[in-house]
Amino acid sequence: DAGITQSPRHKVTETGTPVTLRCHQTENHRYMYWYRQDPGHGLRLIHYSYGVKDTDKGEVSDGYSVSRSKTEDFLLTLESATSSQTSVYFCAISELIGPRGGELFFGEGSRLTVL
Amino acid sequence: GDSVTQMEGPVTLSEEAFLTINCTYTATGYPSLFWYVQYPGEGLQLLLKATKADDKGSNKGFEATYRKETTSFHLEKGSVQVSDSAVYFCALLNTGFQKLVFGTGTRLLVSP
Repeated sequence: DAGITQSPRHKVTETGTPVTLRCHQTENHRYMYWYRQDPGHGLRLIHYSYGVKDTDKGEVSDGYSVSRSKTEDFLLTLESATSSQTSVYFCAISELIGPRGGELFFGEGSRLTVL
Repeated sequence: GDSVTQMEGPVTLSEEAFLTINCTYTATGYPSLFWYVQYPGEGLQLLLKATKADDKGSNKGFEATYRKETTSFHLEKGSVQVSDSAVYFCALLNTGFQKLVFGTGTRLLVSP
């Protein structure tokens, strides 16, 4: 199994507070992603990274920022959490090349509740 | 933009029944196609994939064939088990963008 750790796994917070979710990998994969999963929407891409300090927006990036200062860590920050950001957040990693090129490996998810 | 459409769930079957979950896609170029599975309380994991037209992906008794002419990648299994109960996601990857696009997922419930 791919070494991906998300923290925290569960968090309850209040509207307006900042929240940071962390994704840590031990696979040295170049690409890292943050998705959110909501009923009726499947998984939607928030942000992704294609290298250290190289990031880009996904389809639902408003209200979120990311940072990647090291290959192994990809942080997702909600500057001021809102109830609409209550969701389950998944980190994923991938490589372009090799026998498993293009395949995404997912973490176990972080459940965030914004009251 | 690229998109994936899956049949609505839940799909409810008895053990040993035949399974089909429909998936169609819209994409530019020649994407790779995937089925991911999510068991309760877990993250997604790859079930099978196909990288070009007419390829058949298979794993754990599941199969899907990449049909370019009908832009489809339907998931099938001849005899489902209770342990197959999960949410199944169809997805496509346009390599140039390295971003996976997911369908909304189809929940499968298999009863003994």
